[in-house]
Amino acid sequence: SYELPQPPSVSVSPGQTASITCSGDKLGDKYTSWYQQKPGQSPVLVIYQDDKRPSGIPERFSGSNSGNTATLTISGTQAMDEADYYCQAWDSSTAYVFGTGTKVTVL
Amino acid sequence: EVQLVESGGGLVQPGGSLRLSCAASGFSFSNYEMNWVRQAPGKGLEWVSYISTSGSFIYHADSVKGRFTISRDNAKNSLYLQMSSLRAEDTAVYYCAKLGSGYGHYFDYWGQGTLVTVSS
Repeated sequence: SYELPQPPSVSVSPGQTASITCSGDKLGDKYTSWYQQKPGQSPVLVIYQDDKRPSGIPERFSGSNSGNTATLTISGTQAMDEADYYCQAWDSSTAYVFGTGTKVTVL
Repeated sequence: EVQLVESGGGLVQPGGSLRLSCAASGFSFSNYEMNWVRQAPGKGLEWVSYISTSGSFIYHADSVKGRFTISRDNAKNSLYLQMSSLRAEDTAVYYCAKLGSGYGHYFDYWGQGTLVTVSS
């Protein structure tokens, strides 16, 4: 089955840049999406098709995908960005696959 | 405004059955593929089931295959998940999720979720 490991946690200071990676075999050949989930809330789409932002998502959220790694970057991180982040891709053998999730802490 | 409202969760004994519903509004429901995604307490997201616009194509995760069935009623703008032979490991919040248009296989809208607890 297809797997998407992510680092369990990332810490960042307010105003700095946070980078969250998502690894998978030939992930760069697939589209990757990213979701933000705050405690007690439903996931929210923040990046789709590797690097596109849905309406209403701040410009500080950006994405990239190449080789075996997709990356979500939060520039000028704010306290409100503290949340769990999940990558997601589609694989022909496993269908929809979510990453293991990364907890972003803004110190 | 797109809204997805799940219902039907609750406490059920192991081996029991439950039917979840998702009421959709704010978009042309019959034109979009739909899914169920679940999240066990304190765990990550797990895709459960997919259904095409007409209901002709259905896929389930291996973990629920043969026990869960996804369906939809486009006339009622509703999505369903029939769950049977429930196990403790099926305990989770179940989300209804709309698939975005175009390429990418991404979930652009999610409901608030409904909690299913399997316990004796």
